[in-house]
Amino acid sequence: KQEVTQIPAALSVPEGENLVLNCSFTDSAIYNLQWFRQDPGKGLTSLLLIQSSQREQTSGRLNASLDKSSGRSTLYIAASQPGDSATYLCAVSSLSSNTGKLIFGQGTTLQVKP
Amino acid sequence: DTEVTQTPKHLVMGMTNKKSLKCEQHMGHRAMYWYKQKAKKPPELMFVYSYEKLSINESVPSRFSPECPNSSLLNLHLHALQPEDSALYLCASSLLLAAAFNEQFFGPGTRLTVL
Repeated sequence: KQEVTQIPAALSVPEGENLVLNCSFTDSAIYNLQWFRQDPGKGLTSLLLIQSSQREQTSGRLNASLDKSSGRSTLYIAASQPGDSATYLCAVSSLSSNTGKLIFGQGTTLQVKP
Repeated sequence: DTEVTQTPKHLVMGMTNKKSLKCEQHMGHRAMYWYKQKAKKPPELMFVYSYEKLSINESVPSRFSPECPNSSLLNLHLHALQPEDSALYLCASSLLLAAAFNEQFFGPGTRLTVL
């Protein structure tokens, strides 16, 4: 059974710092991994999707990497800003289930202090 | 149009009420999803529709009744809910149900409070 873990659960950094959020999964047989951002009480915003054949994806100040063999993905945020404060969720789509079901991690809540 | 819309934004209902949540997308996506999210938890999948047919029901109580009247619209009918059903209800869509095409796009959610 696929399990997704995100550590730490919460992170507080000063503005301008580069930071890394971690996501690990137990079954390396995945189709893809998606990173989302969620502001309090709001829906999820898709940030990046990495296909299983890819090693990384970039969008602006965000870079997501995927290492299937070790069951890990990281989301790198460069030059963090207070507006980056939110909860970040990773979710995997497993080969064992050829459906749209995503397995989510518990999320990392990020606070960027001015 | 690259967004998923949900109405209403907020809903307060009594345990004997009947209400409906609505979700709409115009991205040509053929898979649509309902999720329930409690505070400080990740979303939990409830239902999945593919080509307007129910594909997955994650053992959701019958007081939640989904409906997909066409490829752009997804409803969730609510009846005789319990206070513990209070949560943020999220709708999502993807191009197809198959995992290779299931990048999901979420709506803003409906905040439901059951009194």
